[in-house]
Amino acid sequence: KAGVTQTPRYLIKTRGQQVTLSCSPISGHRSVSWYQQTPGQGLQFLFEYFSETQRNKGNFPGRFSGRQFSNSRSEMNVSTLELGDSALYLCASRRGGADGYTFGSGTRLTVV
Amino acid sequence: DQQVKQNSPSLSVQEGRISILNCDYTNSMFDYFLWYKKYPAEGPTFLISISSIKDKNEDGRFTVFLNKSAKHLSLHIVPSQPGDSAVYFCAAPAYFGTGTSLTVIP
Repeated sequence: KAGVTQTPRYLIKTRGQQVTLSCSPISGHRSVSWYQQTPGQGLQFLFEYFSETQRNKGNFPGRFSGRQFSNSRSEMNVSTLELGDSALYLCASRRGGADGYTFGSGTRLTVV
Repeated sequence: DQQVKQNSPSLSVQEGRISILNCDYTNSMFDYFLWYKKYPAEGPTFLISISSIKDKNEDGRFTVFLNKSAKHLSLHIVPSQPGDSAVYFCAAPAYFGTGTSLTVIP
Protein backbone atom coordinates (compact mmCIF):
# COMPACT_ATOMS: atom_id res chain seq x y z
CA LYS A 1 0.00 0.00 0.00
CA ALA A 2 1.13 3.58 -0.59
CA GLY A 3 2.96 5.28 2.24
CA VAL A 4 2.74 8.84 3.48
CA THR A 5 3.50 11.19 0.59
CA GLN A 6 4.94 14.63 1.13
CA THR A 7 5.40 17.24 -1.55
CA PRO A 8 7.60 18.88 -2.51
CA ARG A 9 10.71 17.01 -1.41
CA TYR A 10 12.93 20.08 -1.51
CA LEU A 11 12.17 23.77 -1.36
CA ILE A 12 14.26 26.90 -1.32
CA LYS A 13 12.58 30.12 -0.25
CA THR A 14 13.66 33.65 0.56
CA ARG A 15 13.26 35.25 3.96
CA GLY A 16 9.86 36.89 4.29
CA GLN A 17 8.12 34.61 1.80
CA GLN A 18 5.51 32.05 2.69
CA VAL A 19 5.39 28.36 1.92
CA THR A 20 2.81 25.58 1.81
CA LEU A 21 3.75 21.96 2.32
CA SER A 22 1.47 19.07 1.46
CA CYS A 23 0.94 15.65 3.00
CA SER A 24 -1.16 12.74 1.78
CA PRO A 25 -1.63 10.17 4.55
CA ILE A 26 -2.00 6.44 4.16
CA SER A 27 -5.49 5.53 3.06
CA GLY A 28 -7.69 5.01 6.11
CA HIS A 29 -5.48 7.04 8.42
CA ARG A 30 -7.39 9.95 9.89
CA SER A 31 -4.76 11.30 12.24
CA VAL A 32 -2.01 13.46 10.74
CA SER A 33 0.78 15.15 12.65
CA TRP A 34 3.53 17.51 11.56
CA TYR A 35 7.05 17.76 12.95
CA GLN A 36 10.05 19.98 12.45
CA GLN A 37 13.36 18.14 12.54
CA THR A 38 16.63 19.96 13.02
CA PRO A 39 20.04 18.50 13.93
CA GLY A 40 20.15 20.02 17.38
CA GLN A 41 16.48 19.88 18.37
CA GLY A 42 15.29 16.49 17.26
CA LEU A 43 11.60 16.08 16.42
CA GLN A 44 9.65 19.18 17.40
CA PHE A 45 5.89 18.69 17.39
CA LEU A 46 3.97 21.25 15.34
CA PHE A 47 0.36 20.09 15.30
CA GLU A 48 -1.94 17.11 15.12
CA TYR A 49 -5.13 16.84 13.10
CA PHE A 50 -7.90 14.31 13.31
CA SER A 51 -10.97 14.40 11.07
CA GLU A 52 -10.25 17.99 9.98
CA THR A 53 -9.90 19.23 13.57
CA GLN A 54 -6.68 20.37 15.17
CA ARG A 55 -6.36 18.30 18.33
CA ASN A 56 -2.99 19.42 19.63
CA LYS A 57 -0.53 22.17 18.90
CA GLY A 58 3.13 22.49 19.75
CA ASN A 59 5.02 25.58 20.88
CA PHE A 60 5.50 27.27 17.54
CA PRO A 61 4.62 30.87 16.64
CA GLY A 62 1.41 31.72 14.82
CA ARG A 63 3.34 31.93 11.54
CA PHE A 64 2.99 28.15 11.47
CA SER A 65 -0.48 26.95 10.61
CA GLY A 66 -2.08 23.88 9.17
CA ARG A 67 -5.29 22.30 8.08
CA GLN A 68 -6.74 18.95 7.19
CA PHE A 69 -9.22 18.27 4.43
CA SER A 70 -12.15 15.87 4.36
CA ASN A 71 -10.03 13.28 2.53
CA SER A 72 -7.49 13.47 5.43
CA ARG A 73 -4.89 15.19 3.26
CA SER A 74 -3.14 17.92 5.20
CA GLU A 75 -1.27 21.11 4.44
CA MET A 76 1.11 23.13 6.53
CA ASN A 77 1.76 26.80 5.92
CA VAL A 78 4.58 28.96 7.18
CA SER A 79 4.31 32.70 6.62
CA THR A 80 7.01 35.37 6.82
CA LEU A 81 9.80 32.82 6.63
CA GLU A 82 12.88 33.24 8.80
CA LEU A 83 16.33 31.72 8.36
CA GLY A 84 15.71 29.59 11.45
CA ASP A 85 12.78 27.89 9.74
CA SER A 86 15.21 25.92 7.60
CA ALA A 87 14.61 22.30 8.55
CA LEU A 88 13.20 18.97 7.50
CA TYR A 89 9.43 18.99 7.93
CA LEU A 90 7.96 15.57 8.52
CA CYS A 91 4.36 14.52 8.23
CA ALA A 92 3.10 11.34 9.85
CA SER A 93 -0.23 9.55 9.82
CA ARG A 94 -1.85 6.80 11.82
CA ARG A 95 -5.26 5.21 12.33
CA GLY A 96 -5.32 5.95 16.05
CA GLY A 97 -5.28 4.01 19.31
CA ALA A 98 -2.25 1.80 19.72
CA ASP A 99 -1.15 2.22 16.11
CA GLY A 100 2.11 4.03 15.57
CA TYR A 101 2.71 6.82 13.16
CA THR A 102 4.05 6.15 9.70
CA PHE A 103 6.31 8.94 8.58
CA GLY A 104 6.73 10.47 5.17
CA SER A 105 10.14 11.23 3.70
CA GLY A 106 9.79 14.89 4.57
CA THR A 107 10.15 18.23 2.85
CA ARG A 108 13.57 19.83 3.16
CA LEU A 109 12.98 23.59 3.44
CA THR A 110 15.89 25.96 3.06
CA VAL A 111 15.35 29.64 3.75
CA VAL A 112 17.97 31.98 2.30
CA ASP B 1 7.58 22.56 27.72
CA GLN B 2 8.58 18.94 26.98
CA GLN B 3 5.65 16.65 27.67
CA VAL B 4 7.79 13.58 27.01
CA LYS B 5 11.37 13.43 28.21
CA GLN B 6 14.24 11.10 27.55
CA ASN B 7 17.01 12.14 29.86
CA SER B 8 19.72 9.86 28.52
CA PRO B 9 20.96 11.05 25.14
CA SER B 10 23.06 7.94 24.61
CA LEU B 11 23.54 4.37 25.82
CA SER B 12 26.16 1.72 25.01
CA VAL B 13 25.56 -1.97 25.65
CA GLN B 14 27.44 -5.18 24.88
CA GLU B 15 25.89 -7.53 22.37
CA GLY B 16 23.73 -10.12 24.11
CA ARG B 17 23.08 -7.99 27.17
CA ILE B 18 19.93 -6.08 28.07
CA SER B 19 19.33 -2.52 26.84
CA ILE B 20 17.02 -0.38 28.96
CA LEU B 21 15.80 2.91 27.57
CA ASN B 22 13.85 5.23 29.80
CA CYS B 23 11.19 7.86 29.26
CA ASP B 24 9.21 10.19 31.53
CA TYR B 25 6.03 12.07 30.76
CA THR B 26 4.07 14.85 32.41
CA ASN B 27 0.46 14.45 31.25
CA SER B 28 -1.47 11.72 33.05
CA MET B 29 -4.18 11.89 30.37
CA PHE B 30 -2.10 10.25 27.66
CA ASP B 31 -3.86 7.05 26.59
CA TYR B 32 -1.09 5.38 24.60
CA PHE B 33 2.66 5.38 24.60
CA LEU B 34 4.77 4.32 21.67
CA TRP B 35 8.40 3.59 20.92
CA TYR B 36 10.06 4.29 17.60
CA LYS B 37 13.41 3.39 16.14
CA LYS B 38 15.26 5.72 13.81
CA TYR B 39 18.24 5.12 11.59
CA PRO B 40 20.25 8.04 10.16
CA ALA B 41 18.66 9.74 7.12
CA GLU B 42 15.37 7.89 7.67
CA GLY B 43 12.14 8.79 9.44
CA PRO B 44 11.21 7.06 12.72
CA THR B 45 9.74 3.58 12.43
CA PHE B 46 7.11 2.40 14.88
CA LEU B 47 8.36 -0.35 17.17
CA ILE B 48 5.93 -1.13 19.97
CA SER B 49 3.14 0.54 21.94
CA ILE B 50 1.39 0.20 25.26
CA SER B 51 -2.03 1.29 26.41
CA SER B 52 -2.24 3.34 29.58
CA ILE B 53 -4.45 0.64 31.11
CA LYS B 54 -1.64 -1.91 30.91
CA ASP B 55 1.70 -2.08 32.65
CA LYS B 56 3.56 -4.33 30.23
CA ASN B 57 3.57 -5.20 26.56
CA GLU B 58 5.93 -7.65 24.92
CA ASP B 59 6.85 -8.25 21.29
CA GLY B 60 9.71 -10.64 20.72
CA ARG B 61 12.91 -9.16 22.12
CA PHE B 62 11.18 -5.88 22.95
CA THR B 63 9.20 -5.24 26.13
CA VAL B 64 7.74 -1.95 27.26
CA PHE B 65 6.91 -1.32 30.91
CA LEU B 66 4.63 1.44 32.13
CA ASN B 67 4.59 2.85 35.66
CA LYS B 68 1.68 5.28 35.75
CA SER B 69 2.20 6.43 39.31
CA ALA B 70 5.75 7.49 38.42
CA LYS B 71 4.76 8.67 34.91
CA HIS B 72 7.60 6.58 33.61
CA LEU B 73 8.02 4.01 30.90
CA SER B 74 10.92 1.93 29.74
CA LEU B 75 11.84 -0.17 26.74
CA HIS B 76 13.82 -3.36 27.35
CA ILE B 77 15.66 -5.07 24.51
CA VAL B 78 16.86 -8.57 25.30
CA PRO B 79 19.21 -9.76 23.96
CA SER B 80 20.66 -6.67 22.33
CA GLN B 81 22.04 -7.07 18.82
CA PRO B 82 24.32 -4.79 16.78
CA GLY B 83 21.42 -4.14 14.37
CA ASP B 84 19.54 -2.53 17.26
CA SER B 85 21.98 0.39 17.16
CA ALA B 86 19.79 3.40 16.35
CA VAL B 87 18.07 6.34 17.99
CA TYR B 88 15.00 5.37 20.00
CA PHE B 89 12.15 7.79 20.62
CA CYS B 90 9.27 7.41 23.01
CA ALA B 91 6.05 9.22 22.16
CA ALA B 92 2.64 9.88 23.66
CA PRO B 93 1.22 9.59 20.94
CA ALA B 94 1.98 12.78 18.97
CA TYR B 95 4.52 14.17 21.45
CA PHE B 96 8.01 12.78 20.96
CA GLY B 97 10.91 12.69 23.36
CA THR B 98 14.34 13.88 22.28
CA GLY B 99 15.62 10.36 21.67
CA THR B 100 18.27 8.04 23.06
CA SER B 101 21.06 6.87 20.80
CA LEU B 102 21.70 3.18 21.46
CA THR B 103 24.98 1.58 20.43
CA VAL B 104 25.27 -2.17 20.72
CA ILE B 105 28.91 -3.21 20.78
CA PRO B 106 29.72 -6.55 19.11
